[in-house]
Amino acid sequence: QKEVEQNSGPLSVPEGAIASLNCTYSDRGSQSFFWYRQYSGKSPELIMSIYSNGDKEDGRFTAQLNKASQYVSLLIRDSQPSDSATYLCATGSSSNTGKLIFGQGTTLQVKP
Amino acid sequence: GAGVSQSPSNKVTEKGKDVELRCDPISGHTALYWYRQSLGQGLEFLIYFQGNSAPDKSGLPSDRFSAERTGGSVSTLTIQRTQQEDSAVYLCASSPQRRTGGGVRAFFGQGTRLTVV
Repeated sequence: QKEVEQNSGPLSVPEGAIASLNCTYSDRGSQSFFWYRQYSGKSPELIMSIYSNGDKEDGRFTAQLNKASQYVSLLIRDSQPSDSATYLCATGSSSNTGKLIFGQGTTLQVKP
Repeated sequence: GAGVSQSPSNKVTEKGKDVELRCDPISGHTALYWYRQSLGQGLEFLIYFQGNSAPDKSGLPSDRFSAERTGGSVSTLTIQRTQQEDSAVYLCASSPQRRTGGGVRAFFGQGTRLTVV
């Protein structure tokens, strides 16, 4: 079992729709969770961090965390073609070394 | 500096040669990470530094890979006797502090694209 799992996609949504990206993790002790966006040929860019159960909203982005289910999600409202990218989920290792573990990423395509 | 700086941006080397990749983190960031990303793949963890020490080097693929960090700042990743399977983008990231119980927000450099021919 991979430590952080994501559906590779591609996930295709029409412009203006809500895109829902999901991630599960195996380390029950993880306490920090991140979503990175990576455009083709570019390096990952941090877009959301979440540390507590529940929802965290930032503009069009909402991160959701459910530690009991070991599940993290990212919702993108009013999706735009510029949101088309690969979205990487990352968790902080519970070993307290500060190690970040990434999933394989989900490719999102927003169609005009 | 303003961001994480990596050099060179591109490196083509012959199989069997040694290469050094450099990472200059954001000023004041104590944590530094190296990852590797092959074409179309996710990020493979290589090594993590907190200050000058490496509490986790579990991701280094073989003993041909080594890394050091000096002065709590610049880090170099060295690959000896390069092989074609070492071809990938090597990404460095830094973060400002270690958060209890897990990782903290990390900021990435633009990467070094290594091609072994």
